[in-house]
Amino acid sequence: SYELTQPPSVSVSPGQTARITCSGDSLAEKYTYWYQQKSAQAPVLVIFEDSERPSGIPERFSGSSSGTLATLTISGAQVEDEADYYCYSTDTTGLRRVFGGGTKLTVL
Amino acid sequence: QVQLQESGPGLVKPSGTLSLTCAVAGGPMSSSYWWGWVRQPPGKGLEWIGEIYFSGSTKYSPSLESRVTISIDRSKNQISLILTSVTAADTAVYFCARERRDGQLGFYMDVWGRGTTVTVSS
Repeated sequence: SYELTQPPSVSVSPGQTARITCSGDSLAEKYTYWYQQKSAQAPVLVIFEDSERPSGIPERFSGSSSGTLATLTISGAQVEDEADYYCYSTDTTGLRRVFGGGTKLTVL
Repeated sequence: QVQLQESGPGLVKPSGTLSLTCAVAGGPMSSSYWWGWVRQPPGKGLEWIGEIYFSGSTKYSPSLESRVTISIDRSKNQISLILTSVTAADTAVYFCARERRDGQLGFYMDVWGRGTTVTVSS
């Protein structure tokens, strides 16, 4: 079955830039979306269409995609950004959706 | 503002059937959206279960396809999830979500319910 691969954890100090990657074959032709989840609450969309930011999401959140690799960047990470982050996309057939395994971001 | 609310038994016996409902409030279920289910086992990541379109067309995760059914009742503004032959591995928080189609390049969930915990245990 189709998979998206993320690093299990990323750690930065406050004010530093955090980068979380997501790799998968379909990302070269499908959009990547990024969700933030805190403490098993409902996920919140922070990036859509590879690099677009929904209203209400701080400007420090940005996204990019090149080939089969997508990246979520948090510029000047804050303590409140500590959370699990998941990439989400569709397989090449367009019939199945998939989440990455998730990345735990620690900011301290 | 659309709101989603999951409901159903919090405890299901092994080999039994898990049955959940997601009520959609704040607007009709229009043909602009798909409606999906996602689950999260304790301490683990998010898993896409499947989705249903306004018309009733469905898509399911290959790993669950043999056991899962998602249905829609537009008159009641709700969707349902049925998962058969459950085991302890099906213990999870189950979320329902509204899904948007992004042209030919993707789908994404923009509105989520708060989730409901289901434990499989005798």
